[in-house]
Amino acid sequence: NAGVTQTPKFQVLKTGQSMTLQCAQDMNHNSMYWYRQDPGMGLRLIYYSASEGTTDKGEVPNGYNVSRLNKREFSLRLESAAPSQTSVYFCASSEGRSNTGELFFGEGSRLTVL
Amino acid sequence: AQKITQTQPGMFVQEKEAVTLDCTYDTSDPSYGLFWYKQPSSGEMIFLIYQGSYDQQNATEGRYSLNFQKARKSANLVISASQLGDSAMYFCAMREAYSGAGSYQLTFGKGTKLSVIP
Repeated sequence: NAGVTQTPKFQVLKTGQSMTLQCAQDMNHNSMYWYRQDPGMGLRLIYYSASEGTTDKGEVPNGYNVSRLNKREFSLRLESAAPSQTSVYFCASSEGRSNTGELFFGEGSRLTVL
Repeated sequence: AQKITQTQPGMFVQEKEAVTLDCTYDTSDPSYGLFWYKQPSSGEMIFLIYQGSYDQQNATEGRYSLNFQKARKSANLVISASQLGDSAMYFCAMREAYSGAGSYQLTFGKGTKLSVIP
């Protein structure tokens, strides 16, 4: 049972470099999310996609772009990485309106920007 | 104002004892849901328990129970008979009314680090 798969799990970037975090889910969920986790801050929503073809900003979208490639895949792109984007990134998915709203998380991607 | 407040950054509990992790929330929506997630040192997020705002009974899942006090807007997690494996970060989260855009969004608290002492 793969659930939600994120790649890469670890990445070190230099300031100004770009990269894309990939996320795929195999649960046929409609909604997908990207969160970042920083010490003492909990998890904060970056972007979400309610359904295939739609994306919306969350609480902390600046410096990021997303693509909902298809129902399974939702990627997060950092066009010009900054040290403030050093964080652990979590992708999550949920069924959408028909359920409680429980999120199913990937294992996280630890990003360091030097 | 914070939507989810967890006032205990860290807590200690003796093995086999019960422990309560506090969570208060702020919403004006009549329909909402409350969640607790566990994050062990390995980093994954594990769903523990869910309480809907209209649920009459407090939610229970094995050793976990949610003490839901709607008027006080609190949703405390109670772990009975603590085990060493319970040492982890615990996050309280809330989803409010359906966003209309086709999804629910969860807002998380800052977490409580629980350490279980042998």
